[in-house]
Amino acid sequence: DAKTTQPPSMDCAEGRAANLPCNHSTISGNEYVYWYRQIHSQGPQYIIHGLKNNETNEMASLIITEDRKSSTLILPHATLRDTAVYYCIVRPTSNTGKLIFGQGTTLQVKP
Amino acid sequence: GAVVSQHPSWVICKSGTSVKIECRSLDFQATTMFWYRQFPKQSLMLMATSNEGSKATYEQGVEKDKFLINHASLTLSTLTVTSAHPEDSSFYICSAKDRSWFAGNTIYFGEGSWLTVV
Repeated sequence: DAKTTQPPSMDCAEGRAANLPCNHSTISGNEYVYWYRQIHSQGPQYIIHGLKNNETNEMASLIITEDRKSSTLILPHATLRDTAVYYCIVRPTSNTGKLIFGQGTTLQVKP
Repeated sequence: GAVVSQHPSWVICKSGTSVKIECRSLDFQATTMFWYRQFPKQSLMLMATSNEGSKATYEQGVEKDKFLINHASLTLSTLTVTSAHPEDSSFYICSAKDRSWFAGNTIYFGEGSWLTVV
């Protein structure tokens, strides 16, 4: 699976949009971009995934660049409960479900 | 959405004993489940792939005789830490893939199980 690069940490003010970048310059054509987050002492939570089009759901938006070498997860109105480690992972859909986690980005939402 | 449940949420055991952790997919069938281990302030590390009805596949460096995995049904995988030692104390997490068409091959994680070996 392609490797991803994320900043180790970010801060965001409560109520503002949080924009979390991810670089995946070696992504293959059949690989999706997945985002998960892990709140302290809990299992990872699925947020969103996409192939090449931008995606939006009730939790977040995912913006993927045209060349697919990078993406941004957007939390439109961050709350204190969004403080977590956010992981960007790329994998093919044919994959059995094995995910390789990098170090992720620790997002701290501040009041 | 799909739910994956782990039991127990936390367990304390004596050094040298064995402890079993269960992972269940509550509303979908999973032919494959995964076990991860996470030490404090570190990322998740994949330990093994649990295959229903067959042997588990272990990642490099993970002792298969120490971490026994059984996937006896399409909704249950168990991880048994044998002859536990304090260095096995960790957060153990399982995941499963929902193969139904409407789930979009999404992978769901359990809540995790804290193991403390004393």
